[in-house]
Amino acid sequence: GAGVSQSPSNKVTEKGKDVELRCDPISGHTALYWYRQSLGQGLEFLIYFQGNSAPDKSGLPSDRFSAERTGGSVSTLTIQRTQQEDSAVYLCASSVPNSGANVLTFGAGSRLTVL
Amino acid sequence: GIQVEQSPPDLILQEGANSTLRCNFSDSVNNLQWFHQNPWGQLINLFYIPSGTKQNGRLSATTVATERYSLLYISSSQTTDSGVYFCAAPNFGNEKLTFGTGTRLTIIP
Repeated sequence: GAGVSQSPSNKVTEKGKDVELRCDPISGHTALYWYRQSLGQGLEFLIYFQGNSAPDKSGLPSDRFSAERTGGSVSTLTIQRTQQEDSAVYLCASSVPNSGANVLTFGAGSRLTVL
Repeated sequence: GIQVEQSPPDLILQEGANSTLRCNFSDSVNNLQWFHQNPWGQLINLFYIPSGTKQNGRLSATTVATERYSLLYISSSQTTDSGVYFCAAPNFGNEKLTFGTGTRLTIIP
């Protein structure tokens, strides 16, 4: 597509429920990133994909968080047994890292509220 | 990992003023990017600038890699420039970008 698409744009859930957030990167972008931004804060790195593999999962905050990418395209971030501290905007970005300038393009984000 | 610090944390200016935002990073980098996050939360890439100077309209950026800092200049500020400006740098040899804590810019009409 023309840009990075994320869904849902807004999700309100109850504590303890599982949620799935989806990212559809720009066509042809081999690298995909997930970041988290809490209210008024900076961006916290979660995970990075090159193709379908994740060379760097170091930012996932706990084993309740997991992510996968299939077909070198769409990625899903899953949060199990959500907690209130998981409330944040989850941002996805994609890039072409071998282009000589690894410029990230971000989606509009998925705002997650855990009640 | 790399540390990225930005200053000032907040800046309030009158429309038409000029401003300079600073980004310091702790290690050598081969990729330094500046982003603007508008009041609706959308992050837009402004510059990819591992070294040297680039200009785009009223905005320009300079990175002095040997001294581990980058500057973003905004001239003749407009209200649409309001938002948070982030710089980001990778851990060496790693594609993961580490973001600074940002500078919140407010332009008053």
